[in-house]
Amino acid sequence: GDSVTQMEGPVTLSEEAFLTINCTYTATGYPSLFWYVQYPGEGLQLLLKATKADDKGSNKGFEATYRKETTSFHLEKGSVQVSDSAVYFCALTSGTYKYIFGTGTRLKVLA
Amino acid sequence: EAGVTQFPSHSVIEKGQTVTLRCDPISGHDNLYWYRRVMGKEIKFLLHFVKESKQDESGMPNNRFLAERTGGTYSTLKVQPAELEDSGVYFCASSLAAGRNEQFFGPGTRLTVL
Repeated sequence: GDSVTQMEGPVTLSEEAFLTINCTYTATGYPSLFWYVQYPGEGLQLLLKATKADDKGSNKGFEATYRKETTSFHLEKGSVQVSDSAVYFCALTSGTYKYIFGTGTRLKVLA
Repeated sequence: EAGVTQFPSHSVIEKGQTVTLRCDPISGHDNLYWYRRVMGKEIKFLLHFVKESKQDESGMPNNRFLAERTGGTYSTLKVQPAELEDSGVYFCASSLAAGRNEQFFGPGTRLTVL
């Protein structure tokens, strides 16, 4: 079945450091890919998405490119801030209503 | 526009007790979903409503879990009797339509079964 694998955390970075959170997937067909973020005490929020190969999703300085050849959707940000501290979830949907999530990666950014 | 709301935010109960979680979707969203994250693992799909009808409950763990959506508005998820392994965070989401449409998530209910 479909699945998402993302790097285990926690990831601890200093402010202004470069961030990469790896995400790879297994899916039949052509899934849509998402990154969701959960800030402390809040719900899951859509951070960015990509619906077809080579699409780049971007939001709030975060980017991820849908790479069909490597079945990946890695999340990157050039300069993280303390306010980016949160749990990040990679997810996919293969045209159905079910989201398949990864295990989540906790990011802690130190001032 | 109000987002998806869930109640309570936290619940601590003892094994064998009953707990009912509530979800209020975004107004006008016919599709409502329940997910669960257990012990820091991945968030897993539980079930999907379209209005008041269950479209898919393939992710429900067992018959101790009962979800309802009377009138097609808010939904409840009852766990009876609760077991230790039911502890986790229960998320509700809603969307205008199913398929590749974005699902909007609530803050979750953290359930602890002692």
